[in-house]
Amino acid sequence: SQQGEEDPQALSIQEGENATMNCSYKTSINNLQWYRQNSGRGLVHLILIRSNEREKHSGRLRVTLDTSKKSSSLLITASRAADTASYFCATDPPPNTGNQFYFGTGTSLTVIP
Amino acid sequence: EAQVTQNPRYLITVTGKKLTVTCSQNMNHEYMSWYRQDPGLGLRQIYYSMNVEVTDKGDVPEGYKVSRKEKRNFPLILESPSPNQTSLYFCASSLDWNTGELFFGEGSRLTVL
Repeated sequence: SQQGEEDPQALSIQEGENATMNCSYKTSINNLQWYRQNSGRGLVHLILIRSNEREKHSGRLRVTLDTSKKSSSLLITASRAADTASYFCATDPPPNTGNQFYFGTGTSLTVIP
Repeated sequence: EAQVTQNPRYLITVTGKKLTVTCSQNMNHEYMSWYRQDPGLGLRQIYYSMNVEVTDKGDVPEGYKVSRKEKRNFPLILESPSPNQTSLYFCASSLDWNTGELFFGEGSRLTVL
């Protein structure tokens, strides 16, 4: 399987703390994306980082990408109870090598008020 | 409002009774895909479509059919459902393959008895 893996599988923190989730993948990529899923709902796109980028910010989100290690991290700063959700990374392959998105197994984040 | 609409949202059916899960997007997106989500397995791609009349198998296509006769619609057909197809199904679309960002429907929870 070309699925990625998130680490940890579950994370519980206090409101105001930072949350860090990691994603490892297996093959070369074009883009890596992070998505959020509230319980049983559809996934919502958070941020996309291209293979030639190393870091990207969006509001309280910071994403890093290390293509040599085939890994990415998502940092949520100053977490809020509303950040409680599952977070997934998704990759797509380089041009002309396939047209599928591959999702990881997700990190379940609980932010305690 | 830009959205991906799936129907039905919930369905309980019996083994062998053909069913169709509809998916429609109003964003003029070229790329559409179907995923199933199972505990511990993340999201796995069933089928995808790069454009009208162009469909391809994902990682778990067995037991499913799709069609893309119009740009906005991408129905998922289970000709003879079996209990192992009990799952949460998501339809997603993207402007095109290179854009990357996927927009997800709210999901269809299917139970096959």
